[in-house]
Amino acid sequence: DTEVTQTPKHLVMGMTNKKSLKCEQHMGHRAMYWYKQKAKKPPELMFVYSYEKLSINESVPSRFSPECPNSSLLNLHLHALQPEDSALYLCASSQDSFRVGYGYTFGSGTRLTVV
Amino acid sequence: GQQVMQIPQYQHVQEGEDFTTYCNSSTTLSNIQWYKQRPGGHPVFLIQLVKSGEVKKQKRLTFQFGEAKKNSSLHITATQTTDVGTYFCAGHGTGGFKTIFGAGTRLFVKA
Repeated sequence: DTEVTQTPKHLVMGMTNKKSLKCEQHMGHRAMYWYKQKAKKPPELMFVYSYEKLSINESVPSRFSPECPNSSLLNLHLHALQPEDSALYLCASSQDSFRVGYGYTFGSGTRLTVV
Repeated sequence: GQQVMQIPQYQHVQEGEDFTTYCNSSTTLSNIQWYKQRPGGHPVFLIQLVKSGEVKKQKRLTFQFGEAKKNSSLHITATQTTDVGTYFCAGHGTGGFKTIFGAGTRLFVKA
């Protein structure tokens, strides 16, 4: 299995809702990432998990809360989002975040709309 | 902080013409990766360059890493409509493990 699976593919939520994005990989990768991508912009790093521990938080607002239950799963919990948070949320994995030399495998993303 | 600049922002070509996108980093890179994102899709890893002056080829695609490990290029020979998409370079700085994406070059190919 060489894929990163993200669910749901599309999500519309109100500003008072709580929702979660899910990501799963079975490639044995030990690093997992959340990226946010706005239209016509590059992916913007949000969080890095390495060996199931949060190693990078790019000053992301607390309304985004990541969770790594195990080495194959990554969640992003959403609460009280703003319309400007509408974007494509991409999950990615790589063999290791500490050693250079590993490309990222991206999931197909969750297209989030906050209304 | 570390920045990776990528040019051009857009490129329109006629099918069969060549295409090149360039990346420049403000600091020395440990490696550089290239990704392709089709319209409506997600980034797909193409290749990684690690060594100074490295050149790699994948069919019609040629990737180069500069001698100073601060710049890189992707050249596509005889573009096809299937080459349409945005090409991102992504640099990995020395001493850190964060990958910095360039702004991307959007390639449009007219049949």
